[in-house]
Amino acid sequence: EVLLAQSEPEMKNPGESLTLFCEVYGYTFTNYWIGWVRQLPGKGLEWMGIINPVDSDTRYSPFFRGRVTISADTSISTAYLQWNSLKASDSAVYFCARTMTRGLPSTFDYWGRGTLVTVSS
Amino acid sequence: DIQLTQSPSSVSASVGDRVTITCRASQGVGSSLAWYQQQPGKAPKVLIFDASSLQSGVPPRFSGSGSGTEFTLNINSLQPEDFATYYCQQASIFPFTFGPGTKVDFK
Repeated sequence: EVLLAQSEPEMKNPGESLTLFCEVYGYTFTNYWIGWVRQLPGKGLEWMGIINPVDSDTRYSPFFRGRVTISADTSISTAYLQWNSLKASDSAVYFCARTMTRGLPSTFDYWGRGTLVTVSS
Repeated sequence: DIQLTQSPSSVSASVGDRVTITCRASQGVGSSLAWYQQQPGKAPKVLIFDASSLQSGVPPRFSGSGSGTEFTLNINSLQPEDFATYYCQQASIFPFTFGPGTKVDFK
């Protein structure tokens, strides 16, 4: 069974750094691209970026490029989403999701449960 | 970026109704379009991929059509569990943008 296990909820102060993880089970991590999606409170889905774990080829939405870093560690089948300096406006739920086509960036078929990030002083 | 618009933004319906949601892209995406359903507090679930392919395990009352810039999601005989928000997403050109969503609620 495919499973994407995400970090627990986080509460942070503005300016702090944060790394969310997404550990995958039930398939070969390097066979599928994996991405991150943001959902602001009460709002829609925003595609942030996607990484190919086999070579770390990463594509970002222009809005998120430079604001976050997406990475992956194939030795532990885990993808990461990282901030160096959080802002209150980063408060949201963050989903990781696997693409459905082996070796190609595509539609997401399996999703994590999401991690709620709250940034407040 | 490719912009996706959805109409309507919300629709009120009853169990048994047929619901149609349209997604339009600012430029052609071929057939690389998916539809997702999201229940409150849950992760999205893919219903349709490649514009018209039904994801495994999704009831056949859901169907998708279209290509290029205009796509449609149809829900035949709406069931209680179908009251949710629906998003389209293009997977043709980076970034793979989502539409703004269509909320289907009880009439």
